[in-house]
Amino acid sequence: IAGITQAPTSQILAAGRRMTLRCTQDMRHNAMYWYRQDLGLGLRLIHYSNTAGTTGKGEVPDGYSVSRANTDDFPLTLASAVPSQTSVYFCASSDSPGSYYEQYFGPGTRLTVT
Amino acid sequence: AQTVTQSQPEMSVQEAETVTLSCTYDTSESNYYLFWYKQPPSRQMILVIRQEAYKQQNATENRFSVNFQKAAKSFSLKISDSQLGDTAMYFCAPNFGNEKLTFGTGTRLTIIP
Repeated sequence: IAGITQAPTSQILAAGRRMTLRCTQDMRHNAMYWYRQDLGLGLRLIHYSNTAGTTGKGEVPDGYSVSRANTDDFPLTLASAVPSQTSVYFCASSDSPGSYYEQYFGPGTRLTVT
Repeated sequence: AQTVTQSQPEMSVQEAETVTLSCTYDTSESNYYLFWYKQPPSRQMILVIRQEAYKQQNATENRFSVNFQKAAKSFSLKISDSQLGDTAMYFCAPNFGNEKLTFGTGTRLTIIP
């Protein structure tokens, strides 16, 4: 069982370019999340999805979009990357969106926008 | 606003010693869940321990235990008999029921051989 996979592992991207970070889980979890991790700020939620077909905005959604066409995949798109989006991005999933449930994290994608 | 504070940016202890990482938070919610996650140099986020706010008994998981003080909104993590593999960033991350974990800024723990 792979759990959660993310691609790419790392990427250097020119400002203004479009980029999609991929996330796939094989646990049949209903809820999925995207966080970004910046030095000194911990992890902050970008977008989430409580179930396939629905999405919601987190704490820092500006400049990002997501889709949830099926249970397993939850891609994150940067329409026009800016240097402030340089960060490590983590995808996570949980069995249910309730606060009781542990969130499982992918290995992260390190994105550098130049 | 719901906030989480980890007041110790860095800590170091000798192997086999006990260390306590502090976490305080602010919320108006009465029912929620609290988590400690570990992030070793590999970058992988790993759940260490979970506490239900409605339970008075402190959670334990092998060498890891918590001291949960609901009235004081405090959720500290104690690591006993520390091992080199415990070297990592540790994040306090409550889930107050609004679809997300609220992360503290982390404590970088180094176990010294």
